[in-house]
Amino acid sequence: ETGVTQSPTHLIKTRGQQVTLRCSSQSGHNTVSWYQQALGQGPQFIFQYYREEENGRGNFPPRFSGLQFPNYSSELNVNALELDDSALYLCASSLRENTGELFFGEGSRLTVL
Amino acid sequence: GENVEQHPSTLSVQEGDSAVIKCTYSDSASNYFPWYKQELGKRPQLIIDIRSNVGEKKDQRIAVTLNKTAKHFSLHITETQPEDSAVYFCAVRGGGGADGLTFGKGTHLIIQP
Repeated sequence: ETGVTQSPTHLIKTRGQQVTLRCSSQSGHNTVSWYQQALGQGPQFIFQYYREEENGRGNFPPRFSGLQFPNYSSELNVNALELDDSALYLCASSLRENTGELFFGEGSRLTVL
Repeated sequence: GENVEQHPSTLSVQEGDSAVIKCTYSDSASNYFPWYKQELGKRPQLIIDIRSNVGEKKDQRIAVTLNKTAKHFSLHITETQPEDSAVYFCAVRGGGGADGLTFGKGTHLIIQP
């Protein structure tokens, strides 16, 4: 069974730039959600995708957007990067019809300078 | 939206003693309460979860109790071991349909030898 994988693991951007983070969900999972974890804080829900459509969103502005592909992999895009966007971005997959237990990837650590 | 408070922020116990971490939540419609363990630089991993129709659940040295009336739930770890040292997060999924988890700010558990 293949776990959740994310890329890249680390990246550095400058303010105003755009970034794309990628996630491959665990085999058999059809739902992907993204979380932002600032240093010393708990993860914060950004949004969730099911069957290639966003079906839940947290308190994040529209410059945070995403995609889910037919193979259930996903992308998180952030436009007009701000310094406060520096964080660990976690992708989690789950099987919607199941318990809803989330399986997290190792994350992508974004630093905005 | 959902508000989750977690206490304490740091907990130091002697090896072999018990540890208890508590969380309160605000949305009475919340129906799923997982606990995640996150070691430094690692992904959050589910250690136990409970649903709203159950008051207590146990898995070896770990147990979770839920009081829906008071809107709080607790993680209990008995016979603590050095490998229990980590940051523990409680989380709540509301009944409002957004499906994302709302996390507490975390408890840094330190097991003293």
